[in-house]
Amino acid sequence: NAGVMQNPRHLVRRRGQEARLRCSPVKGHSHVYWYRQLPEEGLKFMVYLQKENIIDESGMPKERFSAEFPKEGPSILRIQQVVRGDSAAYFCASSIIPRGGARDTQYFGPGTRLTVL
Amino acid sequence: AQTVTQSQPEMSVQEAETVTLSCTYDTSESDYYLFWYKQPPSRQMILVIRQEAYKQQNATENRFSVNFQKAAKSFSLKISDSQLGDAAMYFCAYRSAIWPGTYKYIFGTGTRLKVLA
Repeated sequence: NAGVMQNPRHLVRRRGQEARLRCSPVKGHSHVYWYRQLPEEGLKFMVYLQKENIIDESGMPKERFSAEFPKEGPSILRIQQVVRGDSAAYFCASSIIPRGGARDTQYFGPGTRLTVL
Repeated sequence: AQTVTQSQPEMSVQEAETVTLSCTYDTSESDYYLFWYKQPPSRQMILVIRQEAYKQQNATENRFSVNFQKAAKSFSLKISDSQLGDAAMYFCAYRSAIWPGTYKYIFGTGTRLKVLA
C-alpha cells in the first residue's frame, strides 16, 4: 500500500439516505479509480477521474451514483438514496502516469465497507 | 472487451508445499499488464506480482512466480514454500497498456487459498 487513504472504513446507512465515500490518493498522484466489490465477487471498475475531470464512467450505474475529484481535496464517491443492493466494499486506487508512457501501477486504499439497512 | 477468468473458486495447500493458481484472459490487444493481487481478511488489496506482456521472461518475487503463456492467454501464479500468512483471496487482473486509455483493471472472480498446518 503506497498510502491511499479512504474514509470512513465502515459506513452504515438506512435505505434512502446518502452515502459519501472519500479517497485521498498517494501524494502526487493525479489519477483516481473507484471499484466496487460485491460479497464473494471480484472488484468491478466504476469510474476513472483526473483532477477536475471524469475520464471514464462506463462502470457507474446511471442513476444515484456520482463521483468527483476536485482540484483541492479528496475524491468523493456519492451514492444518493441508497438501496440494500448498494451494500459492498468500495475501493479507491490512485496512480501516476510516468512522463511519456502508459506504464503505471494502481495503488489501492483499504476500502470502505458500506452496509445499507 | 477484455475478460479475466479464474476457474478455481478455492484451493488448499499444505504448509511448506507448492500451489499453482490458474488465470486465463481474453484480449485482442498486444500490449498489456497482468497482475496478481492478494486480499486477506482485512480486505486490503496487496500487489503480489506484475507481468508486462512484452516481456517473455516470467516475473518472480521471492516465493511467488508466474507462468505467462501469451499465446495461450494464460497467467498462473505459483506459490512455493507456502506459509500460513499466504491464506487469502487471490485475484488475477488485466490492464491495457495502449496509449491513450483509461487503464482500468479488469479482475477475475478470485481464488480462495487455504493453507493447512
